[in-house]
Amino acid sequence: AQKITQTQPGMFVQEKEAVTLDCTYDTSDPSYGLFWYKQPSSGEMIFLIYQGSYDQQNATEGRYSLNFQKARKSANLVISASQLGDSAMYFCAMRVPGNQFYFGTGTSLTVIP
Amino acid sequence: DSGVTQTPKHLITATGQRVTLRCSPRSGDLSVYWYQQSLDQGLQFLIQYYNGEERAKGNILERFSAQQFPDLHSELNLSSLELGDSALYFCASSVVPQAASGYTFGSGTRLTVV
Repeated sequence: AQKITQTQPGMFVQEKEAVTLDCTYDTSDPSYGLFWYKQPSSGEMIFLIYQGSYDQQNATEGRYSLNFQKARKSANLVISASQLGDSAMYFCAMRVPGNQFYFGTGTSLTVIP
Repeated sequence: DSGVTQTPKHLITATGQRVTLRCSPRSGDLSVYWYQQSLDQGLQFLIQYYNGEERAKGNILERFSAQQFPDLHSELNLSSLELGDSALYFCASSVVPQAASGYTFGSGTRLTVV
């Protein structure tokens, strides 16, 4: 069965510190894509980063990096140098063949000044 | 502005009614996806269209239907509405179905069924 799990309902981080948001996934398909999205309080969903299952290198986009551990089926998001504007809900998602998309339940991140 | 336009932003309607949510994808994007986000179910994939044709179906109820028109805009029709249909409905678009760059989401339509 396809599943995305985010076990941290809420996280706090001090401004300028790094934070890791956990995501584990389950799929039997060898080809899949992993995504992270940010949802601020205004409601829109903002694409952050993508990792393909065959990608050898961990994806990075500015202050965001994805710590992809294929054997452990984990795709943790690392945010470096946290900013107040990073306070939001963060969703991990997986796309599998057939173009089905599965989202985790989200992690609420609060950046403390 | 993400480039994906959803209207209306807010909708309040009564149980048993029918509503239509509209989505205009980002310029150049051929694929449109609909998602439902509710407090108890999280974010659920409903349906995807590519260039006017249905490509994938998720947890979409039979009371719901969608289509993508020749100009690539899409509409999600929700009928016989129930209280549990209250949610934030997102539309997203991408150039092609397997876009590695992720999908661009609209700002959503918040539906409240009373």
